[in-house]
Amino acid sequence: KAGVTQTPRYLIKTRGQQVTLSCSPISGHRSVSWYQQTPGQGLQFLFEYFSETQRNKGNFPGRFSGRQFSNSRSEMNVSTLELGDSALYLCASSPGTENEQYFGPGTRLTVT
Amino acid sequence: GNSVTQMEGPVTLSEEAFLTINCTYTATGYPSLFWYVQYPGEGLQLLLKATKADDKGSNKGFEATYRKETTSFHLEKGSVQVSDSAVYFCALSDSRNSGGSNYKLTFGKGTLLTVNP
Repeated sequence: KAGVTQTPRYLIKTRGQQVTLSCSPISGHRSVSWYQQTPGQGLQFLFEYFSETQRNKGNFPGRFSGRQFSNSRSEMNVSTLELGDSALYLCASSPGTENEQYFGPGTRLTVT
Repeated sequence: GNSVTQMEGPVTLSEEAFLTINCTYTATGYPSLFWYVQYPGEGLQLLLKATKADDKGSNKGFEATYRKETTSFHLEKGSVQVSDSAVYFCALSDSRNSGGSNYKLTFGKGTLLTVNP
């Protein structure tokens, strides 16, 4: 079974721009979660989607948003990028019947 | 709220040495506990988990026991290898504080382990 895939793997954007990251979960998994990883703050939960509904949200500003499609693929969007948004963004999927999460390789976003 | 505290790194060991990485947690409910490992340039891999008190998770020679009385989930391995060099994260999920969802993980800061030959 293919693992969680994330595209693109690397991204460079300019402050003020917006960006969309994509995540394809493991086949059959219905829950997709997003995390931000930075050296200063560590790993922080952004949000979780299950069957196209946002089920939980972390403490991030409204510039961070996400959605899930009927095939469970998910996207997250960050508008009006700030330098502090530079991070590794990780997506994780879960079958929804257990609480194990399987992570993708991440998208490395650099904001200049 | 929930929190996880793990020992500060980095930890440097020689091959075949014994490893312990301490992890303690704070949670208002009955969390599940996890250890994840991150190799350079990669995402996180689930190493082991425990879902209730006194459970022992184990995988690839690593072990951790869920101790409710000390709110701890320390990671141990009897004989480390160079290939174990990575960052290790302790984490918990607690559906009681997550809108019924078990999929909000709270992570520790991570511990960098370097094993020298």
